[in-house]
Amino acid sequence: NAGVMQNPRHLVRRRGQEARLRCSPMKGHSHVYWYRQLPEEGLKFMVYLQKENIIDESGMPKERFSAEFPKEGPSILRIQQVVRGDSAAYFCASSPPQGARETQYFGPGTRLLVL
Amino acid sequence: GENVEQHPSTLSVQEGDSAVIKCTYSDSASNYFPWYKQELGKRPQLIIDIRSNVGEKKDQRIAVTLNKTAKHFSLHITETQPEDSAVYFCAASISGGYQKVTFGIGTKLQVIP
Repeated sequence: NAGVMQNPRHLVRRRGQEARLRCSPMKGHSHVYWYRQLPEEGLKFMVYLQKENIIDESGMPKERFSAEFPKEGPSILRIQQVVRGDSAAYFCASSPPQGARETQYFGPGTRLLVL
Repeated sequence: GENVEQHPSTLSVQEGDSAVIKCTYSDSASNYFPWYKQELGKRPQLIIDIRSNVGEKKDQRIAVTLNKTAKHFSLHITETQPEDSAVYFCAASISGGYQKVTFGIGTKLQVIP
């Protein structure tokens, strides 16, 4: 059973470009969470999604950031017009639809570097 | 919202000694407390968790304790080994319904051989 998958693992963008980060949850999981981790810092919640719905985006910056989890395909975190401050590791996590929903399983992360 | 504080931020112990990491939370409604281990450049991995209906849980060399009254919970690692070196995150959340997990800042544990 494959774990949470993220791609790309490393992404380099120049200021002003767009970054698209993809997350495929574990098989059978329908809840996806995105976190940002700055160097030497903790995990900051960004957004929680279920299939086709954004449940909580209280941690998302108001501008340039968006997320989706379509009925088919991976969840996408999109950052428009990237700036150097967006450089960080972005982790997604997934959890099952019921039962131990609070147990989140993390992907390997995407390390974004903005030049 | 929930606020989780974690300390120390860094911890060095000799191999074989014990390590203790402490966390406090603010929301008395929180009832699920996972601990994650993150090795350098890797993903956070769940190592142990505790729910508010128990005060202590053990898994081999790892144990977690919870004091609901004081809103404290701690991770204890005994007989530390070099492979225990990593960053450890505590977290708190409310079980059931929508689930948002609030993480502590992390503790960088170094086990010196």
